[in-house]
Amino acid sequence: DGGITQSPKYLFRKEGQNVTLSCEQNLNHDAMYWYRQDPGQGLRLIYYSQIVNDFQKGDIAEGYSVSREKKESFPLTVTSAQKNPTAFYLCASSIAAVETQYFGPGTRLLVL
Amino acid sequence: QKEVEQDPGPLSVPEGAIVSLNCTYSNSAFQYFMWYRQYSRKGPELLMYTYSSGNKEDGRFTAQVDKSSKYISLFIRDSQPSDSATYLCAMNGPSYNTDKLIFGTGTRLQVFP
Repeated sequence: DGGITQSPKYLFRKEGQNVTLSCEQNLNHDAMYWYRQDPGQGLRLIYYSQIVNDFQKGDIAEGYSVSREKKESFPLTVTSAQKNPTAFYLCASSIAAVETQYFGPGTRLLVL
Repeated sequence: QKEVEQDPGPLSVPEGAIVSLNCTYSNSAFQYFMWYRQYSRKGPELLMYTYSSGNKEDGRFTAQVDKSSKYISLFIRDSQPSDSATYLCAMNGPSYNTDKLIFGTGTRLQVFP
């Protein structure tokens, strides 16, 4: 089955810790995205990548980092600099930037 | 002012009702319009995709775009309890600047039996 997978489903972070969220797609899509969803605020774009080895900051990139070494993978690291990391994180992909985006099931990050 | 405005609801309707969900936007350059459905604690799934103005129908769902009024709508006919979810509108454009999708905050819909 083609699709987008995110892992883990739930992630717990301790103070001062960096954590990495996984996103993998087997749709052969060029573009991939990371969003953060908070209650009442909709989806906010963290980072996006239109091609391997290239990515751009979105609207709320501070405290996050990404890499795009392979077409099918776009991991997101939530660093200790992100002071309010508790949220639902969604990864998406599209054939190209102009096309519609398809979402993974999400990862819920909680702070201990 | 946000680029995309969407009433958060919740909107509560009886089974079988016609539901109207709406978004307004301020950027006249938007050309691509989408509706996503998101069940609780799940990722959004694409429902409808339209380009520019007009109507598009898919089963019980109709998407409508009025670019002159900067207003888009999603109609759900014969609503079912399984339609209970949050509905997100999204848009981008013009074609040379489509890096980002701009999302509404979502409308929570509850359909009761």
